[in-house]
Amino acid sequence: DTAVSQTPKYLVTQMGNDKSIKCEQNLGHDTMYWYKQDSKKFLKIMFSYNNKELIINETVPNRFSPKSPDKAHLNLHINSLELGDSAVYFCASSQDRRGLSYEQYFGPGTRLTVT
Amino acid sequence: GENVEQHPSTLSVQEGDSAVIKCTYSDSASNYFPWYKQELGKRPQLIIDIRSNVGEKKDQRIAVTLNKTAKHFSLHITETQPEDSAVYFCAASRAGNTPLVFGKGTRLSVIA
Repeated sequence: DTAVSQTPKYLVTQMGNDKSIKCEQNLGHDTMYWYKQDSKKFLKIMFSYNNKELIINETVPNRFSPKSPDKAHLNLHINSLELGDSAVYFCASSQDRRGLSYEQYFGPGTRLTVT
Repeated sequence: GENVEQHPSTLSVQEGDSAVIKCTYSDSASNYFPWYKQELGKRPQLIIDIRSNVGEKKDQRIAVTLNKTAKHFSLHITETQPEDSAVYFCAASRAGNTPLVFGKGTRLSVIA
């Protein structure tokens, strides 16, 4: 079974549109993340979220908003898409055990192309 | 906030040689240092990680060393094989479920 899944895998859309990317994890983890990988392959955190706290990277435009219907899902909604939003978006999850950091499992990525 | 620098950005080695990738970090509170391998078009996958209470960790051909005083850590791959060709990322984070701060990646090419 896939540990962290994302849909869609590819998303091509026009500037100004609103789109969502879905993420689901079946690992029972309590924290989920969204990372953005740009054309130069730089990976940067956008959000981290557990049932207690949403941490937003201050550089992320407020057009981006995470939505978590339950512990296993963290969707990413993007309003008024811009050309610069074109990137690969990765969802990830991890489990905190006694305050120690453990492996973050990544989803397969969603390649967003804004035309 | 944390800043992770990674060098070199590209690395070419002959098959069978060793490869070394180095990273430095700025936040002395960081205590978890994973290394991820990303093949073309695929997701990042963890290959090895180390915590700040350990100086070195080895898993078959892969080893990681950590110098907490100098705030740097390194990935060592011995007896490289063509399938080791990929982009490698170092990262750092604090305790608990805190986001990873990644280096900019090293594109490793192993030439047969």
